[in-house]
Amino acid sequence: GQQVMQIPQYQHVQEGEDFTTYCNSSTTLSNIQWYKQRPGGHPVFLIQLVKSGEVKKQKRLTFQFGEAKKNSSLHITATQTTDVGTYFCAGRSGGSYIPTFGRGTSLIVHP
Amino acid sequence: EAQVTQNPRYLITVTGKKLTVTCSQNMNHEYMSWYRQDPGLGLRQIYYSMNVEVTDKGDVPEGYKVSRKEKRNFPLILESPSPNQTSLYFCASSLSDRFSSTDTQYFGPGTRLTVL
Repeated sequence: GQQVMQIPQYQHVQEGEDFTTYCNSSTTLSNIQWYKQRPGGHPVFLIQLVKSGEVKKQKRLTFQFGEAKKNSSLHITATQTTDVGTYFCAGRSGGSYIPTFGRGTSLIVHP
Repeated sequence: EAQVTQNPRYLITVTGKKLTVTCSQNMNHEYMSWYRQDPGLGLRQIYYSMNVEVTDKGDVPEGYKVSRKEKRNFPLILESPSPNQTSLYFCASSLSDRFSSTDTQYFGPGTRLTVL
């Protein structure tokens, strides 16, 4: 079945440093979504990417969808302590209604 | 305020005692789903529903039932809970399953279930 690998599992950064998390799928995706989950909280939808090579920005966050639609990344510029949390990607392939979530990258920001 | 609510938020029960976790959304969303979240395994979809009376299995449906009699409600039923169903459960909803670039999937606050 479809697998979505997400790396790294954890990332420690100093406040102000950049951060990137990567998702790689074993199959071509029809779309990919990104979520943020704060400790003790629920996943919060950030964005969905649907087009090959798509790049979208939300303030300090930049999302990319690979040309082959099998990988994606989330980049945060100049991290802040409010960025702390776990970032998940979720991809769907073909006509499937079932998203496959990556296991998440936990971001720890040191002030 | 747009929201997805779940009840209860915390539940400790014993093996075999039937339970229901309720989920309700106030956004007139068509698509609703249930996930479980386990350490090291991430989020896995249990069941989803594309509209009233339309439900289908996700990745891990065994041991669970759902119903969608009204658009706003999507309860999760554990007929005979077992310890391996101890987990954190999330309900989610979105306007449609199409997930257009402008659509948003909202998650409920979660239900932490412990089955002894």
